Amino acid sequence: QAQLVESGGGVVQPGKSLRLSCAASGFTFKSYGMHWVRQAPGKGLEWVAAISYDGGNKYYADSVKGRFTISRDNSKNTLYLQMNSLRTEDTAVYYCAKGPQWLVVGWFDPWGQGVLVTVSS
Amino acid sequence: DIQMTQSPSSLSASVGDRVTITCQASQDIRKSLNWYQQKPGKAPKLLIYDASNLDTGVPSRISGSGYGTDFTLTISSLQPEDIATYYCQHYDNLPPFTFGGGTKVEIK
Repeated sequence: QAQLVESGGGVVQPGKSLRLSCAASGFTFKSYGMHWVRQAPGKGLEWVAAISYDGGNKYYADSVKGRFTISRDNSKNTLYLQMNSLRTEDTAVYYCAKGPQWLVVGWFDPWGQGVLVTVSS
Repeated sequence: DIQMTQSPSSLSASVGDRVTITCQASQDIRKSLNWYQQKPGKAPKLLIYDASNLDTGVPSRISGSGYGTDFTLTISSLQPEDIATYYCQHYDNLPPFTFGGGTKVEIK
C-alpha cells in the first residue's frame, strides 16, 4: 500500500534554511499530485504547498510564498520542501500527503508520519 | 480564499451517543469537501471525500452529508476509538485548500 516517510527536520535558527524530503513507496509516484501540510504545536492543520504529477504546476500558501519551494524527483520517488528565511512561526510538524490523481485537486491520502521543524535562536 | 468554519470546537459525549460536527464554507464549494480524523500524536487520516464518500475501512457509523456551503459529519454511535480531533477541508477549484479549525471529541 502507499507509504510516505518524511525526513530532514530539526532545529534551525531564524533566517536559516532547511530541506525536507518525503520518500514515497507502494504506488506510482510520478502519476500523482503531492502536498505539504503543517501543524504548529497545539494548533490545527495548515495546507502549505502542492505540486502536480510532473512538477509543472506548483501552488503555495500566502504564509510561505517566496520563501518555500516545493519540488519532486520522479526518478527517486521523492518529494521535497526547500524552506528558506525560516521564521519562528514556521515551527510545526510537517506532513507530506498524496493526492488522488495527477493534478493537485482532491483529498489527501495517505499522509506521512510527519517531521518536526523547530525554528529557534 | 475560501474560509472553512467548523463547529463546535470541542464536544463531550457518552459512548453510544449520536455526534454531529458541522462545517461551513464561505462560498459554494459544491461537494468538494473532505473530513479527516487525527488522534493524538498521529498523522491525520482521511475519513470522507466528496462530502459523503467513506474511505476504505472507515466504519459505517461515520457518515458525511451536505452540498454547497453547509456540511455535516455524523457519528451515529460514539465509540471510545472515535476520540480524536476532526477536520474538514475544501478542495474546490485551486489552492489554498483550507482546513477548518478542528473539533475535539471527548468521552463524557
